[in-house]
Amino acid sequence: VQLVESGGGLVQPGGSLRLSCAASGITVHNYYLIWVRQAPGKGLEWVSVIYGGGGTSSAVSVKGRFTISRDTSKNTLSLQMSSLRVDDTAVYYCAASVTTLGAFDVWGQGTMVTVSS
Amino acid sequence: IVMTQTPLSSPVTLGQPASISCRSSQSLLDGDGNTFLSWLQQRPGQPPRLLIYKISNRFSGVPDRFSGSGAGTDFTLKISRVEAEDVGIYYCTQATQFPYTFGQGTKLEIK
Repeated sequence: VQLVESGGGLVQPGGSLRLSCAASGITVHNYYLIWVRQAPGKGLEWVSVIYGGGGTSSAVSVKGRFTISRDTSKNTLSLQMSSLRVDDTAVYYCAASVTTLGAFDVWGQGTMVTVSS
Repeated sequence: IVMTQTPLSSPVTLGQPASISCRSSQSLLDGDGNTFLSWLQQRPGQPPRLLIYKISNRFSGVPDRFSGSGAGTDFTLKISRVEAEDVGIYYCTQATQFPYTFGQGTKLEIK
């Protein structure tokens, strides 16, 4: 099982970016997946979750700005980010709960998002 | 739910034990009797890695020198004999209630 993130980069404040997380070895439709971020030199912060049934939830700090979704045909998890702020600068990881209930046992390598003018 | 870890830094001699505490601001026991408290390890420059789930279950491939314990609001990660490869930051995290939360992280370093 492998998760590979892409789509990070440099964006200006107020801009948009779409992150992708390509899954292999699992079908994204069947598991619950999350996005977690880590600002430079800081700890981990949960961003959004999508359940096997399709329900979603997001942290207050990103609600209304970030949207988590999945594309079954591409077997990919996505995070659409808009109205980006400087404090959204972070490495963004996707993770999946594959064999453990209530824990995330597969993690991607992360993709860096830098919000700066 | 706020997760509070102590200590934030732990210098340990190789071969000696280490212990990290994690306290949650409310009980992590859900209505079905599950406690979704897990421990992650993040080595320098690496993504997080799952060590322990549901308080005390070691994930596949995790050495048996790692163990987890606790209940309700108080949890502990123990390393029986620290090895050089254990250097990194350890996080407790809860998935019992939204929003999921992490502890601040405990940096384990070799003395």
